[in-house]
Amino acid sequence: DAGITQSPRHKVTETGTPVTLRCHQTENHRYMYWYRQDPGHGLRLIHYSYGVKDTDKGEVSDGYSVSRSKTEDFLLTLESATSSQTSVYFCAISPGGGRDNEQFFGPGTRLTVL
Amino acid sequence: DQQVKQNSPSLSVQEGRISILNCDYTNSMFDYFLWYKKYPAEGPTFLISISSIKDKNEDGRFTVFLNKSAKHLSLHIVPSQPGDSAVYFCAASVMNSGGSNYKLTFGKGTLLTVNP
Repeated sequence: DAGITQSPRHKVTETGTPVTLRCHQTENHRYMYWYRQDPGHGLRLIHYSYGVKDTDKGEVSDGYSVSRSKTEDFLLTLESATSSQTSVYFCAISPGGGRDNEQFFGPGTRLTVL
Repeated sequence: DQQVKQNSPSLSVQEGRISILNCDYTNSMFDYFLWYKKYPAEGPTFLISISSIKDKNEDGRFTVFLNKSAKHLSLHIVPSQPGDSAVYFCAASVMNSGGSNYKLTFGKGTLLTVNP
């Protein structure tokens, strides 16, 4: 299994509070991604990174920001959490170099915003 | 605007029979397709993929077929086993200008149940 961890694995927070989710990899892969999974929507890309300090938006980026200061860490921040951001969040990594189609996923973080 | 569609939310088959999961896409620029399997409370795991230059790729019990003219792909599992019970996601990507496919577009998933 690819070395990907996500923390926390579960979090309950209140509307309006800031939340940061962490993704950590030990594979030294170039690309990192944040997705959310919701019933009826499958997996939707929030943000992704193609290198240290290089990030870009996905299809559902509103209300989220990301940072990548080291190859191994990719942080997802909800500046002011809303109930619509209750979801399961998955981090993924891919190696690049022609094999970056195959993304490897972390175990997920279940976030509940009350 | 859903570019990757899995129109069957669920599928139930008997152990030992064939499971066929379908996926349609609308973006003719997609040139690489993948299937992922997801168990509850776990992250998706890569299962099998196919490039648009091929029409079939096989890996053990799993075969993916691609029909570019119909913009349709399917995943065949033969024989189906109870351990195959999971949600299956179809995904597609477009080669970017840099020559790397780095963004995937996922379908909504199909829940496969294999009954003993």
